Amino acid sequence: DVKVTQSSRYLVKRTGEKVFLECVQDMDHENMFWYRQDPGLGLRLIYFSYDVKMKEKGDIPEGYSVSREKKERFSLILESASTNQTSMYLCASRETTGGAGEQYFGPGTRLTVT
Amino acid sequence: KQEVTQIPAALSVPEGENLVLNCSFTDSAIYNLQWFRQDPGKGLTSLLLIQSSQREQTSGRLNASLDKSSGRSTLYIAASQPGDSATYLCAPPRRDYKLSFGAGTTVTVRA
Repeated sequence: DVKVTQSSRYLVKRTGEKVFLECVQDMDHENMFWYRQDPGLGLRLIYFSYDVKMKEKGDIPEGYSVSREKKERFSLILESASTNQTSMYLCASRETTGGAGEQYFGPGTRLTVT
Repeated sequence: KQEVTQIPAALSVPEGENLVLNCSFTDSAIYNLQWFRQDPGKGLTSLLLIQSSQREQTSGRLNASLDKSSGRSTLYIAASQPGDSATYLCAPPRRDYKLSFGAGTTVTVRA
């Protein structure tokens, strides 16, 4: 079974702090994703990585950056956290089969910025 | 752009009834479609992946159909149980291979 883990289930940070959200997958998948999920807005893609050190902006990348130094790990960085970044953050991975592979999600990190 | 609509938005049924969840999408040039389940405050669990070459995919009490030409997919859940209570999300891909998500159908199965 594919397993995607996220470093924290709940996180509380202060405005202006630098925040790191970590995601690890154990299936040697090339593609990894970061989403945020908000009531009424659904799931929105923040960043995508198609391989180690490769990244691509998603639909809402402003205020975020990412790092992928190893294939199994994809980090989301909030450079200076703001209250409008309070959200549920979801990481996912997918095997590259021409983009047609099944996508698997982690348990999510509920981030609150005060 | 891939627009996804899920109907109904919410559904409440007594235990044992069959469930029918509908998904429509605007760009039918897709190669697969994935259905997910989400419990409150949790991540998404993949239920079924239907390839474009298939018309149906089954897993236990779940059956999903895909009609690319009409831009529709339907998830059937047979003999519903209280444990089926969750939000169900339909996700066809965009042309850049990223998934688009519907707003979901929230299901409540009453014991």
